Amino acid sequence: GAGVSQSPRYKVAKRGQDVALRCDPISGHVSLFWYQQALGQGPEFLTYFQNEAQLDKSGLPSDRFFAERPEGSVSTLKIQRTQQEDSAVYLCASSAHREGETQYFGPGTRLLVL
Amino acid sequence: KNEVEQSPQNLTAQEGEFITINCSYSVGISALHWLQQHPGGGIVSLFMLSSGKKKHGRLIATINIQEKHSSLHITASHPRDSAVYICAVTNTGNQFYFGTGTSLTVIP
Repeated sequence: GAGVSQSPRYKVAKRGQDVALRCDPISGHVSLFWYQQALGQGPEFLTYFQNEAQLDKSGLPSDRFFAERPEGSVSTLKIQRTQQEDSAVYLCASSAHREGETQYFGPGTRLLVL
Repeated sequence: KNEVEQSPQNLTAQEGEFITINCSYSVGISALHWLQQHPGGGIVSLFMLSSGKKKHGRLIATINIQEKHSSLHITASHPRDSAVYICAVTNTGNQFYFGTGTSLTVIP
């Protein structure tokens, strides 16, 4: 497909379980972003990659959150020992180059931690 | 304090009405984005602007850099415009700051 895809679309996890969320950006896009959107809130920045380099991870809420993009294309956001407060929609976006570019968003992964 | 503030939070309009959603920001920006999010759906980028005004169909976005303010206008609103409209800004470090969104409902 031509857009950003994410998988799974929905994930239910038991508290304490580890989860991995996948993002396939638009082919050739340099920049990739992860956001967390709680119910009724706007998205909150988590982390940003330029190619395989993670340039900003200041938004990751704890050391249980880890993101990687080893080959500069697909990215994985991993959450270890999930907690109920991790329940949210996790959005991935990509843009062609660097600053201020239009970002193209994926459909999101809705995570529910029970 | 949020870096990006939107108003109103919720808006209900009759079909055909002219709608304005406002956004104010407090950080230095390289660009401002208007995004649309439908219930249960993903986010679509409507506009990216750094100065002046842009128009796409019935949608118009304006920005005043000096006043750190932007508006999104919808002319001749339609029920299919019902969605959450989110204002976001990018700073020079390419970090995004998002508003909490304006939930728009257009009634037939």
